[in-house]
Amino acid sequence: SQQGEEDPQALSIQEGENATMNCSYKTSINNLQWYRQNSGRGLVHLILIRSNEREKHSGRLRVTLDTSKKSSSLLITASRAADTASYFCATDGGSSNTGKLIFGQGTTLQVKP
Amino acid sequence: SAVISQKPSRDICQRGTSLTIQCQVDSQVTMMFWYRQQPGQSLTLIATANQGSEATYESGFVIDKFPISRPNLTFSTLTVSNMSPEDSSIYLCSAHPASNEQFFGPGTRLTVL
Repeated sequence: SQQGEEDPQALSIQEGENATMNCSYKTSINNLQWYRQNSGRGLVHLILIRSNEREKHSGRLRVTLDTSKKSSSLLITASRAADTASYFCATDGGSSNTGKLIFGQGTTLQVKP
Repeated sequence: SAVISQKPSRDICQRGTSLTIQCQVDSQVTMMFWYRQQPGQSLTLIATANQGSEATYESGFVIDKFPISRPNLTFSTLTVSNMSPEDSSIYLCSAHPASNEQFFGPGTRLTVL
C-alpha cells in the first residue's frame, strides 16, 4: 500500500522560480529518498536523507525531514525547463534490512521557459 | 551506485501471451526488486528477487502471474503471464547495493491489446 502523500499533485512554475514539493508518510523510517521520473521513464535517484538528519543539500536541491511530523520537503531552486518531471518520495517503512520502498503518489512539476 | 539496464524498453503484446523482462546490473548487489507503475500512478512493489531461491511476493501479486528468476547477483527476469489489458504498465527493476540508496532501471513500458 502507498503510505506517502505528496503535495501538491501538480505544480506549474516559470523558469528561475523555486519549486517546493512536500511528502508525508505514516510509519517510522530509517531514511527517505527522493526520485525524479521524466516522461514515464526510469527513476533517477536524487537524494537520500537519514532519519537523524534534518536537512541535506545537493546542488540546487534542498531536502528537509521532520520526523516528528512525518514529513519531508524537496526544494528545487532556480528551476530550469529540464526540471520538468514527476518527483516521488520513497521511504523504507522503518525496515532497514529488507530494501523495500514505499512510494508517495508523486508531484508533477512543469517548468515553463 | 549501480547502473541498471532493462530489456525490452517497450513492447506491445496481445492478450493471453507472456512477456519476459530482463534486468542487468553492472555490479553484484544483494537485493533486487521489481515494481509496477500503472498509468498515471505511483510505483508498487511486486516482489523481491532472491538469488538462488524463490522470490518474495507482496500482497496482491502471485508467482503464477509474475514468475521471477534471479540466477546470480547481477541479473533477474520478470515474466508477465497470460496478459490482459490491465497489465499495461511500466515495469521497473531496482537494485539495492550495500549503501541505503536504491537505483532503478529505465523501465519497460508494456501495452497489452
